[in-house]
Amino acid sequence: EVQVLESGGGLVQPGGSLRLSCAASGFIFSSYAMGWVRQAPGKGLEWVSGIRGSGDGTYFADSVKGRYTISRDNSRNTLYLEMNSLRAEDTAVYYCARSNGASSWRYFDQWGRGTLVSVSS
Amino acid sequence: QSALTQPPSASGSPGQSVTISCTGTSGDVGGYNFVSWYQQYPGKAPKLMIYEVSKRPSGVPDRFSGSKSGNTASLTVSGLQAEDEADYYCSSYAGGNNLVVFGGGTKLTVL
Repeated sequence: EVQVLESGGGLVQPGGSLRLSCAASGFIFSSYAMGWVRQAPGKGLEWVSGIRGSGDGTYFADSVKGRYTISRDNSRNTLYLEMNSLRAEDTAVYYCARSNGASSWRYFDQWGRGTLVSVSS
Repeated sequence: QSALTQPPSASGSPGQSVTISCTGTSGDVGGYNFVSWYQQYPGKAPKLMIYEVSKRPSGVPDRFSGSKSGNTASLTVSGLQAEDEADYYCSSYAGGNNLVVFGGGTKLTVL
């Protein structure tokens, strides 16, 4: 069974850092690009970042560029999101999602349950 | 403000059909046949319902259909059922640095 499971969320102060992880199972991890999508409380979905299956291409939304880093360890079937200089507006549930191919961004066909990041003093 | 524009709400009675629109630009919806739709229940993860404008993943009822004309995509739910009450989000590949864009979501109510 295909599964992705996020972890690492929590409460952090403004300006702080947090690292999210996403453990994948049930598929050949390196064959799929992966992404992070967030949802602020009561709001819609917002694409945050993506990484190619090989890890050699990374992409970021303008809202997080320069503050977030995405990476993956294909030997551990794990995706990461390093978040720095966090702001109150980064508060959201962060979803890990599998894209439809190694370097394709046509749709996300598998989603995790999400992990909540709260930025507050 | 979301990159793609959706109506905030839509409704219909059981058995009826409802269509949700999703308007973008030539840089996203209009430029690629890579529009997808997601269903989300409160507190749950999104679920892929339509991909590449009109294709349905295995297991999605054929009551759900998608289409596109110019810069506007649409999701139609036919034969509405109570379980269809949820939030629906459209998405499109957008190229460039901002690879993927989402709509603001539409809350579908089954009356």
